[in-house]
Amino acid sequence: AQSVTQLGSHVSVSEGALVLLRCNYSSSVPPYLFWYVQYPNQGLQLLLKYTSAATLVKGINGFEAEFKKSETSFHLTKPSAHMSDAAEYFCAVGTSGTYKYIFGTGTRLKVLA
Amino acid sequence: GAVVSQHPSRVICKSGTSVKIECRSLDFQATTMFWYRQFPKQSLMLMATSNEGSKATYEQGVEKDKFLINHASLTLSTLTVTSAHPEDSSFYICSARDVAGGRWNEQFFGPGTRLTVL
Repeated sequence: AQSVTQLGSHVSVSEGALVLLRCNYSSSVPPYLFWYVQYPNQGLQLLLKYTSAATLVKGINGFEAEFKKSETSFHLTKPSAHMSDAAEYFCAVGTSGTYKYIFGTGTRLKVLA
Repeated sequence: GAVVSQHPSRVICKSGTSVKIECRSLDFQATTMFWYRQFPKQSLMLMATSNEGSKATYEQGVEKDKFLINHASLTLSTLTVTSAHPEDSSFYICSARDVAGGRWNEQFFGPGTRLTVL
């Protein structure tokens, strides 16, 4: 069975500071991993995805994530936070065959001025 | 490309009535669509997988007679909440797979529908 754990339901950073959102996964097969952002009352927007190519994945809005198999992690980072980054972030693992996603519980990012 | 729409974006209904939510893939054909439910400040929970031309596959604990899913065409799936009650109030999000586009392992999400049952 596959699962996703997001450590920290709430993260606060100062504007301009490093953003680090943690995601650990469990999968018996090579996983497909995704990071999504959700603004209030909106759907999900894909930030980036890992599909067994390069382990360092660059996404939109300056975000990137590194797939570390040994640590079963796929943490999301951004060098410098912007006020517009304040949102809910979800990590998800995809399953080949059924193509279902399993979502983490989400991390709400707050950016302080 | 790979745009998914939902209609309506918000709906308020009385307890006991049925509500239909539409999910459309606008620029691609979606053989598989997914329906999720999201409670306030919580994650997305998969309700069912909808395959064009066949019966939906429901996740454990989801009442298939209450949440009717129809995927009659390659661009449209509908979720009908039958005899809605206040506890059905939630944010419903659909997603779709674009198998022909090469992004076979990626889901594209709609903007969601806010259902409020009075």
